[in-house]
Amino acid sequence: DTGVSQDPRHKITKRGQNVTFRCDPISEHNRLYWYRQTLGQGPEFLTYFQNEAQLEKSRLLSDRFSAERPKGSFSTLEIQRTEQGDSAMYLCASSLSVTGREQYFGPGTRLTVT
Amino acid sequence: LAKTTQPISMDSYEGQEVNITCSHNNIATNDYITWYQQFPSQGPRFIIQGYKTKVKNEVASLFIPADRKSSTLSLPRVSLSDTAVYYCLVGDMEYGNKLVFGAGTILRVKS
Repeated sequence: DTGVSQDPRHKITKRGQNVTFRCDPISEHNRLYWYRQTLGQGPEFLTYFQNEAQLEKSRLLSDRFSAERPKGSFSTLEIQRTEQGDSAMYLCASSLSVTGREQYFGPGTRLTVT
Repeated sequence: LAKTTQPISMDSYEGQEVNITCSHNNIATNDYITWYQQFPSQGPRFIIQGYKTKVKNEVASLFIPADRKSSTLSLPRVSLSDTAVYYCLVGDMEYGNKLVFGAGTILRVKS
């Protein structure tokens, strides 16, 4: 399968702990996006990379959130000092620059903060 | 970014054609209209995109009137597996770096 993959699929953590999620995009895609989705709502944009450069960050991305894409391939999203409000589905998507609005989403990582 | 309005939910029966209309009164000249589908516990999936008139692919058709203030996603002969949330998004291809989703339309297909 050459789609977008995310790991882990589910994560349960206690408030105050740090968590890290990984996303592996489709190999030839130079753009990578992170979104967050809560129950009953559509996904909300968090940040995106073109190759290894992080080009935009949403105001939703507080100082506790950091994302990297060190070699322009896979990406990680880290949340420090998790809060219950961070509980959500974290979605990763990738695309080619020329087809930016046609993004391919992974299955997501469901985070539960207790 | 143009705001979109679509019905919260729709019900249909297997074999029927389903039309979901999205209103985007403030659409800009450079904006495209994109539709995504999302099944429970999965990421959204691109369905179709258009700028004006009609676009058709193997999954759906997209109808866009001349004023572009609305668009209609048409799903022919739906099946139970088409039960999902459908999102209408509007944005330009350059700023298409981020997708802005609304709450979407929950389509329930019944047997």
